[in-house]
Amino acid sequence: EAGVAQSPRYKIIEKRQSVAFWCNPISGHATLYWYQQILGQGPKLLIQFQNNGVVDDSQLPKDRFSAERLKGVDSTLKIQPAKLEDSAVYLCASSFNVQTGNTIYFGEGSWLTVV
Amino acid sequence: GNSVTQMEGPVTLSEEAFLTINCTYTATGYPSLFWYVQYPGEGLQLLLKATKADDKGSNKGFEATYRKETTSFHLEKGSVQVSDSAVYFCALSSHSGNTPLVFGKGTRLSVIA
Repeated sequence: EAGVAQSPRYKIIEKRQSVAFWCNPISGHATLYWYQQILGQGPKLLIQFQNNGVVDDSQLPKDRFSAERLKGVDSTLKIQPAKLEDSAVYLCASSFNVQTGNTIYFGEGSWLTVV
Repeated sequence: GNSVTQMEGPVTLSEEAFLTINCTYTATGYPSLFWYVQYPGEGLQLLLKATKADDKGSNKGFEATYRKETTSFHLEKGSVQVSDSAVYFCALSSHSGNTPLVFGKGTRLSVIA
């Protein structure tokens, strides 16, 4: 079974530039998550989708971050304009549904460095 | 709100030593508890989980028991190997409504031969 696919794996941009990350969840998984993992910290949820609807985006910095999952499958996360503190690994994850105890599967992450 | 506290690392052990990584949590109700592992350059992988009190999760020689009375989910392994070197994250998922994972800060384990 294919896992959660993310691209690009690595990106270096200058501050104030924009960047977009793409995620393809495991086939059949209705729930998709984007997490931000800053070096030395645990992942922090940015946004959660159920199919193509947003369930939780309370921790998404909406002045610069946006995310969409238009057809309920793939998702993109965009940062514009980027700040130095956005340097982190952006993890996409998916699960079959939101039911408690369901295993959440993570992609390998997109590593962003803002200089 | 929900939160997870785990022991700070790094933890350095010799091969075949006993490992304990402490994890305690704060949550309303009865969350599900997880340990994830992140090997160098890789994404997070589920190591084990427990969904109710007194459950024991186990995988690859690692074990953790869901202790409601102490709100803990400590990770243990009787004999670590060099290949266990990684960062370990304790996490919880609430039983109410949406269930995104809330993670601890992670504990880096280095095992030396």
